[in-house]
Amino acid sequence: AQSVSQHNHHVILSEAASLELGCNYSYGGTVNLFWYVQYPGQHLQLLLKYFSGDPLVKGIKGFEAEFIKSKFSFNLRKPSVQWSDTAEYFCAVLNNAGNMLTFGGGTRLMVKP
Amino acid sequence: GAGVSQSPSNKVTEKGKDVELRCDPISGHTALYWYRQSLGQGLEFLIYFQGNSAPDKSGLPSDRFSAERTGGSVSTLTIQRTQQEDSAVYLCASSYRSSPTDTQYFGPGTRLTVL
Repeated sequence: AQSVSQHNHHVILSEAASLELGCNYSYGGTVNLFWYVQYPGQHLQLLLKYFSGDPLVKGIKGFEAEFIKSKFSFNLRKPSVQWSDTAEYFCAVLNNAGNMLTFGGGTRLMVKP
Repeated sequence: GAGVSQSPSNKVTEKGKDVELRCDPISGHTALYWYRQSLGQGLEFLIYFQGNSAPDKSGLPSDRFSAERTGGSVSTLTIQRTQQEDSAVYLCASSYRSSPTDTQYFGPGTRLTVL
């Protein structure tokens, strides 16, 4: 069975600080990984995704994530956060059939202005 | 349409009543998914449709839950004899196909409160 673990449940940063959110997965098949974001009062939106190739994936709004196979990790990073990045972030793994996302528990990020 | 739409946005019901939640996927998307977001369980997969068929219903929490999709478009999730533990946000997503390369786009959700 696949599973995703996000270690940080709540993160508070000041603007311009660097961000790294941890994500570890467990899945025996081909790995397809995602980061979704949910801004306050809005629906889930895709930040970035990894299927194959370059393990460093760049997404929208300056976010990036690095797939490290040996560590079963797919951490999300941003060099300098903004107040508008305040949101909940979800890491997810997709099964091989492409029909089921398994999500981590989410990380609530608060950026103080 | 521009995105996945869901109705109602909020639903308050009494324990024991039946509810129907509706999802309109993005036009042209053949795959449709239902998830549930609750405080205790996080985001859980419920069921998916490829066209009108749902090959795997094992994610549904109990036999009180059912879903259908007609015409390869709109889907309805029905919860019979609602219980308080059914309170959650029910999310629908759609993708062009159910394949690893096709992104799932999520709707705004229906917030269900069972009193």
